[in-house]
Amino acid sequence: EAGVVQSPRYKIIEKKQPVAFWCNPISGHNTLYWYLQNLGQGPELLIRYENEEAVDDSQLPKDRFSAERLKGVDSTLKIQPAELGDSAVYLCASSDTWGDQQRGYNEQFFGPGTRLTVL
Amino acid sequence: QQPVQSPQAVILREGEDAVINCSSSKALYSVHWYRQKHGEAPVFLMILLKGGEQKGHDKISASFNEKKQQSSLYLTASQLSYSGTYFCGTFPGGSNYKLTFGKGTLLTVNP
Repeated sequence: EAGVVQSPRYKIIEKKQPVAFWCNPISGHNTLYWYLQNLGQGPELLIRYENEEAVDDSQLPKDRFSAERLKGVDSTLKIQPAELGDSAVYLCASSDTWGDQQRGYNEQFFGPGTRLTVL
Repeated sequence: QQPVQSPQAVILREGEDAVINCSSSKALYSVHWYRQKHGEAPVFLMILLKGGEQKGHDKISASFNEKKQQSSLYLTASQLSYSGTYFCGTFPGGSNYKLTFGKGTLLTVNP
């Protein structure tokens, strides 16, 4: 079974430039998460999708960040314009079994992440 | 509220044991444990649910004290492959399905 796929793996851009990250979750997983991971920190949730609906985007800085999950499969996270403080690893994860999720009992499968460096 | 992990870092020799702790100030419904090697994706280890259910890695054990909102991960007879950063994630239950991760514990196992 293929895992969560993310691209690109690394991205270096100048500040104020736009950038986009792509994620393809495990086939059949309805829930998709985007996390931000700063150096030496744990992942922090940015947005959670159930199929194509963003059900929790409370942590997403909406002035510059946007995300979409058309057709409820793969997803794109965009930053426009990027700032120096956006340098971090952006992780995508997916999970299934909604019943287990309601009980906090579903494991999340993470992709390798995209390491963003803003100069 | 971010859970607090301790210790921040631990160094072992192969074969030694370690315990990693995770503590929350809020009531918890479940605790998740993940391991992340440098430059790689976090990998699921275990979930411990309020009431005693658990699932995960068959070579790693963990406990969950619901009353104290604490969980511990027990790594016995450590192997070189156990090296990495261990994260606990806490789930409060209710309508909030957000998993909040701690800052991690860096485990280094030397030969």
